[in-house]
Amino acid sequence: KAGVTQTPRYLIKTRGQQVTLSCSPISGHRSVSWYQQTPGQGLQFLFEYFSETQRNKGNFPGRFSGRQFSNSRSEMNVSTLELGDSALYLCASSLREGPPTYEQYFGPGTRLTVT
Amino acid sequence: AQKITQTQPGMFVQEKEAVTLDCTYDTSDPSYGLFWYKQPSSGEMIFLIYQGSYDQQNATEGRYSLNFQKARKSANLVISASQLGDSAMYFCAMREASELYGGATNKLIFGTGTLLAVQP
Repeated sequence: KAGVTQTPRYLIKTRGQQVTLSCSPISGHRSVSWYQQTPGQGLQFLFEYFSETQRNKGNFPGRFSGRQFSNSRSEMNVSTLELGDSALYLCASSLREGPPTYEQYFGPGTRLTVT
Repeated sequence: AQKITQTQPGMFVQEKEAVTLDCTYDTSDPSYGLFWYKQPSSGEMIFLIYQGSYDQQNATEGRYSLNFQKARKSANLVISASQLGDSAMYFCAMREASELYGGATNKLIFGTGTLLAVQP
């Protein structure tokens, strides 16, 4: 069974540009969550999607947005990039049907560098 | 507010020895879940072990066990027989309680992590 995949793995952008990151969950998983990891702030929750609906959102500005498609694949978009957006962006998928399942499986991450 | 505290920024352990990584948590919710993840230098977060607040026994997964002390609000990870491949960052996390969607959310709150170095 294939794991969570994220594309691209590495990305370099310039301030003011926008970027779109993609996440494909494990087959059959319907929940996708996004996290930002920086040396200063650690791991912070961005948002969570389940069946194409945003279920939860972290404390990030509106420049950060996301969506989920009918095949459970998810994208996140960051507009008007700032230097502080440089981070490792991690995506996690979970089965989440019926009672909450326990494990979330993470992808390898997309390392974004903003110059 | 829920919070996870990991007080050990870094630890050394000799190969084949056991090591305990500390984690304390704070929550007022009676129902919660605690996780440990391993993050090698490659960046991927690897799920290690889970403990539910109502679980009667400590969770175990191979060489990993979770020393769950509910009254002390601690959930320490024990790695037995350390291997060189265990060198990585280790994160303790808690599933956030939510009043929405019947209390079901996958949002995790992470600690700051502990960097473990296994020495030969």
